[in-house]
Amino acid sequence: GAGVSQSPSNKVTEKGKDVELRCDPISGHTALYWYRQSLGQGLEFLIYFQGNSAPDKSGLPSDRFSAERTGGSVSTLTIQRTQQEDSAVYLCASSWGWGARYEQYFGPGTRLTVT
Amino acid sequence: KQEVTQIPAALSVPEGENLVLNCSFTDSAIYNLQWFRQDPGKGLTSLLLIQSSQREQTSGRLNASLDKSSGRSTLYIAASQPGDSATYLCAATAGGANSKLTFGKGITLSVRP
Repeated sequence: GAGVSQSPSNKVTEKGKDVELRCDPISGHTALYWYRQSLGQGLEFLIYFQGNSAPDKSGLPSDRFSAERTGGSVSTLTIQRTQQEDSAVYLCASSWGWGARYEQYFGPGTRLTVT
Repeated sequence: KQEVTQIPAALSVPEGENLVLNCSFTDSAIYNLQWFRQDPGKGLTSLLLIQSSQREQTSGRLNASLDKSSGRSTLYIAASQPGDSATYLCAATAGGANSKLTFGKGITLSVRP
């Protein structure tokens, strides 16, 4: 595709519900990153994929957060039993390869609001 | 642990002014330093990427410099325009196989006509 796409663009959910956020990376990009942008905290790394495996999950804030990637392409970030502090913009990025020399391209984000 | 700081959090300037946005980082062992622009409700647009071996990069009216020894980077915007109004974020990459970005909190720039 032309760029990284994310869906939905906005999601409002009730506290305690599960949500799934989707990221479609640029075709051919092997590395995929999830970040979270919340008020006061700035942009924080969540998880990183090389192909379908996630060697670095260090940024996931709790075991309610999980992510998977299938076919080396689409990734889904799942938040179980959502809490109000999960409200944030979730950004996905992809790059041609893994490693610092590959530039990351960002999607427009999913704005999650937990009421 | 790398920490990236951007001060001030907000800046307002009149159109036409040349301005400098500052970024500092605590760990000088970075692989590269990247500047992004974010418009309200939008994702991130990469502006300039400076490799650790480089001192600066230029694109149009933008110039970014990197001084690893002092842990600083600056983004220079020449002849600012109202269309430059946005939030500017800098991010450092540690290098290695995982190139996760460590971001500053950004500087929200407003250019007044």
